[in-house]
Amino acid sequence: NAGVTQTPKFQVLKTGQSMTLQCAQDMNHNSMYWYRQDPGMGLRLIYYSASEGTTDKGEVPNGYNVSRLNKREFSLRLESAAPSQTSVYFCASSITRDLQETQYFGPGTRLLVL
Amino acid sequence: GNSVTQMEGPVTLSEEAFLTINCTYTATGYPSLFWYVQYPGEGLQLLLKATKADDKGSNKGFEATYRKETTSFHLEKGSVQVSDSAVYFCALSDLGAGGTSYGKLTFGQGTILTVHP
Repeated sequence: NAGVTQTPKFQVLKTGQSMTLQCAQDMNHNSMYWYRQDPGMGLRLIYYSASEGTTDKGEVPNGYNVSRLNKREFSLRLESAAPSQTSVYFCASSITRDLQETQYFGPGTRLLVL
Repeated sequence: GNSVTQMEGPVTLSEEAFLTINCTYTATGYPSLFWYVQYPGEGLQLLLKATKADDKGSNKGFEATYRKETTSFHLEKGSVQVSDSAVYFCALSDLGAGGTSYGKLTFGQGTILTVHP
């Protein structure tokens, strides 16, 4: 049981390049999330997927797209990277039981856009 | 909207000192409250949680009590260790008036804790 896994761990891009961050979970969770973490700002939600086949915008969706490929996988795509997207990206998944929900996080992807 | 405010850091303590990290929140509905910990170079791990007023979450010697009257969820530990050095995040998940989980966490800005031997 690996939990939530993310690839790559680290990436350097030039402005304008594109890339996809991969996330997978093996806990059979319905919901998955993408956050970015910036110094002094905590984590901010980019997009989330409440269930397979659905995605919704979070707090900071501009410049990103997502795909919920199946129940296990939720990818985040940067079509044209900008220096403002330099950040650490975390994927999370969750399951709700008895109206209570707990999110479990991956190890993160550190992205540098030059 | 929902928000979480944590005490500003960084916090530096000597080993075996008492720790308090303050957290207050504003929310609509019926929030669940969480503390997450992030060790250097790692992702976030759930430390403890409380789902209703007066609940106390506890784990690894850390405790936090859900205080609805003061909208607070302060993190405490009686005797910190060097291995507790990390970033601590307070967060809430708002179930909403209809009792349906929105499934989205609102985080505080994080508090850096450094414990010296």
